[in-house]
Amino acid sequence: AQRVTQPEKLLSVFKGAPVELKCNYSYSGSPELFWYVQYSRQRLQLLLRHISRESIKGFTADLNKGETSFHLKKPFAQEEDSAMYYCALIWEKLTFGTGTRLTIIP
Amino acid sequence: KAGVTQTPRYLIKTRGQQVTLSCSPISGHRSVSWYQQTPGQGLQFLFEYFSETQRNKGNFPGRFSGRQFSNSRSEMNVSTLELGDSALYLCASSGDTPYEQYFGPGTRLTVT
Repeated sequence: AQRVTQPEKLLSVFKGAPVELKCNYSYSGSPELFWYVQYSRQRLQLLLRHISRESIKGFTADLNKGETSFHLKKPFAQEEDSAMYYCALIWEKLTFGTGTRLTIIP
Repeated sequence: KAGVTQTPRYLIKTRGQQVTLSCSPISGHRSVSWYQQTPGQGLQFLFEYFSETQRNKGNFPGRFSGRQFSNSRSEMNVSTLELGDSALYLCASSGDTPYEQYFGPGTRLTVT
């Protein structure tokens, strides 16, 4: 069965510092992975998907099949990045990790 | 387009009662998924409906059930409520791209 692991429940980073949110997965096939984000008082929404290989709000994520990881990165954190981030994998259904709450310290 | 709507937004029930939650997807979306969100477990998939048929199911007991109507609106029912059912229940709809789910605001269920 597929599983998504986000080892950090909480992560605090200073404004301007690099951000890395970790995500590891277990899946026997070729995974499709995504990052969803939930800002304060807003709905959960899709941030990016690995297939598109695009940068959204300065965030990127590279799929590393050897390490079965899909870490989310941003070189310079901004205060508006404070949110709850969920890594997700899809195969028949969308499976979410338990989430990481990112707090950017001004 | 109007977003996903869920009713009611808040609900307080007593152990042993049953509850029905409603979700209206984005117009044109035929898939509706339900999730339970708790601080300890995060987002857990309950089930997905597509064109009135349950397409996928998570690992929840039979007390949790759902259905979808011909207009794609969906309802979720929980019978014999337990304290542990207290959670935020999220509904999400998707169109042609199943991974891009549009979430509703959720229904906060408190069981006392």
